[in-house]
Amino acid sequence: DQQVKQNSPSLSVQEGRISILNCDYTNSMFDYFLWYKKYPAEGPTFLISISSIKDKNEDGRFTVFLNKSAKHLSLHIVPSQPGDSAVYFCAAYKHARVLRNDMRFGAGTRLTVKP
Amino acid sequence: DGGITQSPKYLFRKEGQNVTLSCEQNLNHDAMYWYRQDPGQGLRLIYYSQIVNDFQKGDIAEGYSVSREKKESFPLTVTSAQKNPTAFYLCASSIATFRRTTVSGANVLTFGAGSRLTVL
Repeated sequence: DQQVKQNSPSLSVQEGRISILNCDYTNSMFDYFLWYKKYPAEGPTFLISISSIKDKNEDGRFTVFLNKSAKHLSLHIVPSQPGDSAVYFCAAYKHARVLRNDMRFGAGTRLTVKP
Repeated sequence: DGGITQSPKYLFRKEGQNVTLSCEQNLNHDAMYWYRQDPGQGLRLIYYSQIVNDFQKGDIAEGYSVSREKKESFPLTVTSAQKNPTAFYLCASSIATFRRTTVSGANVLTFGAGSRLTVL
């Protein structure tokens, strides 16, 4: 049962333009959401997170938006750079289950930023 | 530099053999995890451990075993009972979730570079 879905396996954008990566979830109990970035032959690295008490979190060129009513979050990268080309994973979990790891990951979206 | 080291990076196994994937971290993290990645699917949790000498099954634990004798190490054994072991395996670690409160932020996982297992 895929509780976190990234329906676009790939996305291609031009350098300097905005990249928007989308993620949907089905479990309304999730209260933390994260984005990870993965380069080939490396493990995923943490990019940005947002808690359910917020609807936006910004870190430099990266902004995550959360729409709880739609169970949807998105990652905006502005402006996109060739070095942003990677696979991006969305993840979500419910904090209160402290003795159990319930983090769920999407299948990933491969972003290609063309010079 | 602190981090997580997984070895080997590539591993080939004959059917019926057990193999062990190594995961070592020097981040002083309490919690360690094993995930499996298959094409077109998200990372799926195999096993996790919040403290030494304790571990819990994740969503797809069948055919796998782990041990947590030291804080720094969390090896994963893929046994012959695992029906479809060819995959990319990722080890991760984090501060134990029981140490976190909501105000302290997200439970961020630090991942190793992964091990690719192929069954011949």
